[in-house]
Formats: sequence, structure tokens, C-alpha cells
Amino acid sequence: GAVVSQHPSRVICKSGTSVKIECRSLDFQATTMFWYRQFPKQSLMLMATSNEGSKATYEQGVEKDKFLINHASLTLSTLTVTSAHPEDSSFYICSARRGTSGGWRQFFGPGTRLTVL
Amino acid sequence: RKEVEQDPGPFNVPEGATVAFNCTYSNSASQSFFWYRQDCRKEPKLLMSVYSSGNEDGRFTAQLNRASQYISLLIRDSKLSDSATYLCVVNIYNQGGKLIFGQGTELSVKP
Repeated sequence: GAVVSQHPSRVICKSGTSVKIECRSLDFQATTMFWYRQFPKQSLMLMATSNEGSKATYEQGVEKDKFLINHASLTLSTLTVTSAHPEDSSFYICSARRGTSGGWRQFFGPGTRLTVL
Repeated sequence: RKEVEQDPGPFNVPEGATVAFNCTYSNSASQSFFWYRQDCRKEPKLLMSVYSSGNEDGRFTAQLNRASQYISLLIRDSKLSDSATYLCVVNIYNQGGKLIFGQGTELSVKP
């Protein structure tokens, strides 16, 4: 199957700092990537849809100025959590959309665990 | 009301048991349906797609009832390695490929 990587896998930072998370599709080009957030014991919540070469589409309630998304190439999308606070501590997962013989599929990265102190 | 709702769990079953998970979705424009499996602190992995005719993959059987907007997953002969959280997922027509996840049902298979 297709491979999606995320970096870093884990990050601990102080409150007020900004953190950048990278999502890469390693063996295919992805015009569309998605960013999710998952709090403990809860399901994945879509934050935004990242489209190569255009602005991201944010879900209701997600602050676009706090969660900056850049999809500058067909294999890389980045999510920057600006001025992070403890309530931003979560598991952030990206996915990349790819066409298959069975239709479109999303391939997930391994996730980034963010802890804000 | 949540767009995708699942049994809250957790389900604690012995090895060899048969276990069934239920899921309902509220958006009638839902187009594609999936079961994902998520292990602790890992990303979700696609277990199987769900088709109206029902489909089976080894010990796993998925069913879809569009009229009642209901999806199920049956696991036969449970193994210890089946312990995970099972996520019911739908894709809404004409929403750019967005996936909507249920809250997940935790399964624990005991020896």
C-alpha cells in the first residue's frame, strides 16, 4: 500500500511556542491531504483539508490562524500549531488521498503526539 | 446528534467468541462506508470497505443497510490480536473525500 510519513512522531514544547508537523506521501503524489486531531478516548476529528497549490479548507470551529496549513508540493503538507497551549496537546494525524482501482482511498500517517507544557 | 454513532464499548470477550459491532449514520448522502482498526497510540488502518451486498474477509463480515442507515461488523473466532478500537467511517457524497469517523468501539479479547 501507499506510504505516508509524519515528522516528528512526538514533540514536547513549552506553552507559547509554535510547532510544525510535516506530512509526506512517499511513493505517490497527493493533491489532497487531510489533517485530523484525536484527543484521548475520542475519535478522529477532521481539522482541515489541504489542497496542493491553494488554501486549506478548515472545518467549523478550527481556527485557521492558529493551525496554519501549507501544501506547497504534491508530496508535502505541513501543519503549524502557532502559540501552542496545553489544550492543544493531542495526537495529530494526517492522511493523503490517492486513487486506487477500487476508488479513492486515504492513507494515514503514523501520527504526531504533541504535548504542550 | 453525531453523524456517525457506535456502541460505546468496551467489549471484553474470550478468545474464540463472536462479537458484533453496530454503527448508525445520520447523513443520507453518505456514499462509502468503511471499518477501520486503530491500535493504541497508532494511526487507524483500513480493515475493510462495506458494500450493500455485504462482504466477508476471513473472520470478518461487514453489512450495510442503507434504508435504516446502519452498518455492522461481525468478528468470528476472536483472536487476542483482534484487541483494538474499531472505527466506523463514512464518506459523504460531494464533500471532497472527507471521512467522518465514529467514536470507536474498544474490543479486548482475553485468553
